[in-house]
Amino acid sequence: DAKTTQPPSMDCAEGRAANLPCNHSTISGNEYVYWYRQIHSQGPQYIIHGLKNNETNEMASLIITEDRKSSTLILPHATLRDTAVYYCIVRPLGAGGTSYGKLTFGQGTILTVHP
Amino acid sequence: DGGITQSPKYLFRKEGQNVTLSCEQNLNHDAMYWYRQDPGQGLRLIYYSQIVNDFQKGDIAEGYSVSREKKESFPLTVTSAQKNPTAFYLCASSPQAGARDTGELFFGEGSRLTVL
Repeated sequence: DAKTTQPPSMDCAEGRAANLPCNHSTISGNEYVYWYRQIHSQGPQYIIHGLKNNETNEMASLIITEDRKSSTLILPHATLRDTAVYYCIVRPLGAGGTSYGKLTFGQGTILTVHP
Repeated sequence: DGGITQSPKYLFRKEGQNVTLSCEQNLNHDAMYWYRQDPGQGLRLIYYSQIVNDFQKGDIAEGYSVSREKKESFPLTVTSAQKNPTAFYLCASSPQAGARDTGELFFGEGSRLTVL
């Protein structure tokens, strides 16, 4: 699976948009970009995923560059409860075999939302 | 409510003892996984199972064992052969296996094991 690079930490003011970047310059054509977050001492929570088109759901928006080498997760109106570690992951969809289940979680970005 | 239940949440054991962590899901998911997380680190895959009575080793299976006798249950045993068992253990499941895999995992709340 392609490797991702994220800043170790970011701050955001409550009510503002949080924009979390992720570089995945070695991404392959069949690899999707996934975002998860983990609040302290809890299990990770799925946020969103996409291939090449921008995606939006009730939690966030995902913007993927045209060359797919980077992406940005946008939390439009950050709240204190959005403080968490955010993980950007790339992996093939429906790979099966040895890559199945191998969502490789790196260090992630610690997002701190402050009042 | 549907979800994944891990127990116990906290567990203390003496060195050399085997310990079994429970993971139960009522989401009717085919696939289940065990991950290990160490302080300040990402998650590492221990074992996964795509279907009942079948499971595969992940990246760090040594010193661990699993079983998948029922669709809803995937217990993890941390054996005395695991050299550094103190960690946060996370169980997850996903709704579809193989080619229909969406990549979305649903996680439990975790079990924190401390070996004294």
